[in-house]
Amino acid sequence: DAMVIQNPRYQVTQFGKPVTLSCSQTLNHNVMYWYQQKSSQAPKLLFHYYDKDFNNEADTPDNFQSRRPNTSFCFLDIRSPGLGDAAMYLCATSREGAGDDYEQYFGPGTRLTVT
Amino acid sequence: GEDVEQSLFLSVREGDSSVINCTYTDSSSTYLYWYKQEPGAGLQLLTYIFSNMDMKQDQRLTVLLNKKDKHLSLRIADTQTGDSAIYFCAESEGGYQKVTFGTGTKLQVIP
Repeated sequence: DAMVIQNPRYQVTQFGKPVTLSCSQTLNHNVMYWYQQKSSQAPKLLFHYYDKDFNNEADTPDNFQSRRPNTSFCFLDIRSPGLGDAAMYLCATSREGAGDDYEQYFGPGTRLTVT
Repeated sequence: GEDVEQSLFLSVREGDSSVINCTYTDSSSTYLYWYKQEPGAGLQLLTYIFSNMDMKQDQRLTVLLNKKDKHLSLRIADTQTGDSAIYFCAESEGGYQKVTFGTGTKLQVIP
């Protein structure tokens, strides 16, 4: 019954080695988001897709990229991970609309460790 | 820019009421949310309130909004050990607009 799925749940990568995190959804929502959450901090929005329209937050480093090949899947690529990129990465989806449609549905997250 | 602030920690006894407070700065906020995050899990929406409301009740949860003071609170009645989690206050201008989260309040429920 999982609606927003993130794989893997735990990812270890080496300093500077590219890594890709994946997210899929069964909700057919048109908006997908990637957040970075460091320990004891608020989730911070990196970017979101409205359908195929990519929207980058102004302070998201160039090191972070995203791809959305279809409605169901969205990927987060970290081109050269640094130690400061170790965090929990949360994927979320929402459906454009009114009222409850504004709810963002979150996946369980991928915890990234950089060694 | 937008800012959402919460106290970091709250400890209550099982059966008591918990009140988690939040302040925000964005006067354009249309939706105010409370999310719950259990250890190792993603965020789960508990409830939300429109900015033109001052109260919303949903079973054990009561949300109070003071729009003039930009103050939001979440009251959990009859707090249970299963309520132990981090609670995030958040705001957005609506639609698929950016949601800004607070730093979270860790609620510890003592049996």
